[in-house]
Parts: sequence; C-alpha cells; structure tokens
Amino acid sequence: GAVVSQHPSWVICKSGTSVKIECRSLDFQATTMFWYRQFPKQSLMLMATSNEGSKATYEQGVEKDKFLINHASLTLSTLTVTSAHPEDSSFYICSALDGGLSDTQYFGPGTRLTVL
Amino acid sequence: AQTVTQSQPEMSVQEAETVTLSCTYDTSENNYYLFWYKQPPSRQMILVIRQEAYKQQNATENRFSVNFQKAAKSFSLKISDSQLGDTAMYFCAFMKLGSGSGAGSYQLTFGKGTKLSVIP
Repeated sequence: GAVVSQHPSWVICKSGTSVKIECRSLDFQATTMFWYRQFPKQSLMLMATSNEGSKATYEQGVEKDKFLINHASLTLSTLTVTSAHPEDSSFYICSALDGGLSDTQYFGPGTRLTVL
Repeated sequence: AQTVTQSQPEMSVQEAETVTLSCTYDTSENNYYLFWYKQPPSRQMILVIRQEAYKQQNATENRFSVNFQKAAKSFSLKISDSQLGDTAMYFCAFMKLGSGSGAGSYQLTFGKGTKLSVIP
C-alpha cells in the first residue's frame, strides 16, 4: 500500500516552454501533497504544499507564477514549470500525506527535468 | 522552526555487520513524529521507520530499529545484519503535527543526509 506515482520520470525541453509533472496517490486519498526540489548530493528542499480544493502554499523564495500547482482531486496534484530556463533543471519529487492512517508522507519516484 | 542535524556525512559498514546513524533535532513542539527515509541510487525516497514522539517504546522494523531519546532530542537508526541493498543516502526527518492546516503542520524538515555504503 501507500504507493505514489509521478509522471514523467524524465523530461527534456527547450528553454521557454512549459512542462507539467503529475503526482498521483494510487491506493489512498491525499488531501495534502508536497513538492520538493533536490539538487545533486543535497537534501530535499520543500517548494510548496498542495491542498486539495485550495491554493497551494509556497515556501519563501519559490516563484508561484513559475511553479504552478493544481491539486484537482484527492489523488492528483500537478506541478507546471512555466517558461522553463536552464536554471530550472533539477530533480523534482512529490509526496502525498496519508493523513487517514499514518500521518506519513509517501514519495513518488521523482522527475528529472533538463532544460536546454 | 525545527532543525535536524545529521553529523555523519558518510559511513561504511561491512556486510552482515551493524551500523548506527546519528540524528539530533531541535524543536519546541511537543507533538511530532520522526522518520528515517532512505534514498538509493534510483533516487526513490523510501520510508524506513517512523516514531511517534508520545511513544516511549522505540520503533522497530525487521533489521531496522531506532534509539529515541526525547529529552536529549536524539533519534538514531540502527541497521543490523547490513545488506548490499542497504547502500543508500539516509535522511532523518521531523514532522510537526497539528490540527487542521496549521502553518507547517505535516511538513517534513530533513537533515542533510548520511551516505551509507555497505561493503561486501
């Protein structure tokens, strides 16, 4: 149980284009999901908290207009990187909070974004 | 704000031996959980073990156990009978609990990680 999928697993795009990443909780409902960014050999950096049916809460320094988050249902949150630039290249990871049973975050496998 | 400190950037252990990873944290909260996650080379974050702060009994999951010292704010992970598949980055994490959508509730604060290598 407690499986979270993330799609795509990797994406390469041209500078200036937008990229959408999907995060799904497959076997539980998640009213809260989280988006992280991870640089090589570093820990996870929280970007935003996504709540179903409401606006996402962004961490300080994260541009909400660049990283659009939509939590459309209890099992799906999306992160759209708008007008991507090479400095947005990174590893993006989502997690879903299993608040019903364990108050534990379960993580997706991550998405490697490369912007050319 | 909470902080999590992992003082061992890298460790190694012989296969079948036991190793302990250290973690200390700082918080003024009384209601929280602590976690250990592992991130193997695939970069998938995998839950290893969870400890509720209100529980005095240390959590165990098969070969993995913790030594939770609440007063000392220490939360170490012991891996027994180490296996090659245990090679990974290990992150200690703190989660503040709260009612409703209180600021910061259910967010994870991570340490910087400990890279564990299991040597055949």
